[in-house]
Amino acid sequence: DTEVTQTPKHLVMGMTNKKSLKCEQHMGHRAMYWYKQKAKKPPELMFVYSYEKLSINESVPSRFSPECPNSSLLNLHLHALQPEDSALYLCASSQDPRPGARGNTIYFGEGSWLTVV
Amino acid sequence: QKEVEQDPGPLSVPEGAIVSLNCTYSNSAFQYFMWYRQYSRKGPELLMYTYSSGNKEDGRFTAQVDKSSKYISLFIRDSQPSDSATYLCAMNSAGGTSYGKLTFGQGTILTVHP
Repeated sequence: DTEVTQTPKHLVMGMTNKKSLKCEQHMGHRAMYWYKQKAKKPPELMFVYSYEKLSINESVPSRFSPECPNSSLLNLHLHALQPEDSALYLCASSQDPRPGARGNTIYFGEGSWLTVV
Repeated sequence: QKEVEQDPGPLSVPEGAIVSLNCTYSNSAFQYFMWYRQYSRKGPELLMYTYSSGNKEDGRFTAQVDKSSKYISLFIRDSQPSDSATYLCAMNSAGGTSYGKLTFGQGTILTVHP
């Protein structure tokens, strides 16, 4: 079983709603990620947090707002989403985010299925 | 041209067959190579991880990397119906601004028939 836990597993929200996706890992990993996956497509990177600081934002619209309260938790705040934002949102983590480190193995959670109506 | 090209499939094989899944890549900076298995409506599950050319074996799975040809493969021996899933190759580089960013292939859907 994956050690990256995501809640909720399913979420339906209206375009005016505000909701949050949550992710937790207890493997002591210092890098955490949000990926988005559409049907029959590979995951696409959204954000990378390294030592609780945002290090990569892949030009994601501001209606997605990430937050890393501590080294174990990662949130994705959602506001004013569009129907095309409906997708599987995957949280992931890896051990050591320092360049050149070999802890590059990235472990994914089960994902949160988001439907925007 | 995509940085990572994966044989698209889909593949349909009988139980017990040997399966070969393949990816090529164009970016010489890629140093870490992974194979993920993804069941329907689930997150990707890491199967194999390697960072050197050659073969790495884990049970029925063998990952093969040829950096000179920029080619990686995953072999599944004695395939089982429970192996039916989408297989994704993924890779990333060691550092710089792309650190932590996995580049995926498009995925191959595998079906193993009893």
